Amino acid sequence: EVQLLESGGGLVQPGGSLRLSCAASGFSFSDYGMSWVRQAPGKGLEWVSSLSGSGGSTYDADSVRGRFTISRDNSRNMLYLQMNRLRAEDTAVYYCAKGTDRVGVFDYWGQGTLVTASS
Amino acid sequence: DIQMTQSPSSLSASVGDRVTITCRASQTIISYLNWYQQKPGKAPKLLIYAASSLQSEVPSRFSAGGSGTDFALTISGLQPEDFGTYYCQQSYTTPYTFGQGTKLEIK
Repeated sequence: EVQLLESGGGLVQPGGSLRLSCAASGFSFSDYGMSWVRQAPGKGLEWVSSLSGSGGSTYDADSVRGRFTISRDNSRNMLYLQMNRLRAEDTAVYYCAKGTDRVGVFDYWGQGTLVTASS
Repeated sequence: DIQMTQSPSSLSASVGDRVTITCRASQTIISYLNWYQQKPGKAPKLLIYAASSLQSEVPSRFSAGGSGTDFALTISGLQPEDFGTYYCQQSYTTPYTFGQGTKLEIK
């Protein structure tokens, strides 16, 4: 059974940093691209970042480029999102999502972790 | 960026009804269109990928089609558990973009 478990969310002041983690199990982690998708309170879904199975290729939304860094540790089946220079508008539930053999399709999602950037 | 526009934004229907949600892309995305269902407080669930392919274990009352810029998701024989918000998403190119969502309520 595929499981994705996010952690690391919390309250942070604007301008601060936070690192999200996603522990994956139940599939061959290194064979699939992984992504982060966020959802601001009461709003829709927004794609944040993706990276390939090897971690060699990454893609970011303009809204986070230069501030957020997606990475993975295939030896530990872990996905990360390093978030720097956080803004109030980054407040959202952050989901990690597993890719499929079709790029950009997300077939399994974690339960999400809430990040609140507020003073 | 490719803009995805869903309609309607919300709808209310009865058990057994047939409902259709449409999604329009601001430029052609061929068939790189996916549909997700999200229930309150839960993660999204993939229903349909590549415009018309039913994800494993998704009930056959869900169907979808379209290509280019116009797509539709249809639920035939609405069930009580089908309430929630439905999102379309294009996977043609980054940034991957979602529609604004269609909230489905069961009467």
